[in-house]
Amino acid sequence: EVQLMESGGGLIQPGGSLKLSCVVSGFIVSSNYMTWVRQAPGKGLEWVSIIYSGGTIYYADSVKGRFTISRDNSKNTLYLQMNSLRAEDTALYYCARGQANSGSYYGTFENWGQGTQVTVSS
Amino acid sequence: DIQMTQSPSTLSASVGDRVTITCRASQSINNWLAWYQQKPGKAPNLLIYKASSLQSGVPSRFSGNGAGTEFTLTISSLQADDFATYYCQQYNTFWTFGQGTKVEIK
Repeated sequence: EVQLMESGGGLIQPGGSLKLSCVVSGFIVSSNYMTWVRQAPGKGLEWVSIIYSGGTIYYADSVKGRFTISRDNSKNTLYLQMNSLRAEDTALYYCARGQANSGSYYGTFENWGQGTQVTVSS
Repeated sequence: DIQMTQSPSTLSASVGDRVTITCRASQSINNWLAWYQQKPGKAPNLLIYKASSLQSGVPSRFSGNGAGTEFTLTISSLQADDFATYYCQQYNTFWTFGQGTKVEIK
């Protein structure tokens, strides 16, 4: 069974740092493309970052230069290092697995975790 | 950046109704369009990909249509379990979601 479990969220002051983790089971992180998507309270979904199996990485403009996506193959875990956090980064952060054989270079997302809450406030 | 616009923002319907949600892209996205369902406190669930392909395990009352810049999600006969928020997502160039359509009980 495919499962994704995020952790590492919390309350952090503006300018601070957090590292989110996404532990997966039922598939191999390094063989799939993996993404982070966030949802501000009462708002819609916003794509944040993605890492492909070959190592190609993309970021949304809103987080470029501040967030870093990575993975640890030995732990089958995806990470999101978030630095210089701002109030507008407050959101529920989901990790998701890319859809296999999507036919598209970019791909869509077929398995999601339940999210970890990040709150940036003084 | 590609912008995605959904309409309506809120839709009131009854069980058994046929429901259609529209999603428009600011430029052509070919057929790289997905639809997700999200219930309160839950993660999004992929329903449709490549504009009209039904994700495994999704009931056949859900269907998608469209290409280019205009797309629709149709629920042929609304069930109690379908009251939720629906998002479209383009993946032609990076990823952008629509603002969501909440389907509520009439």
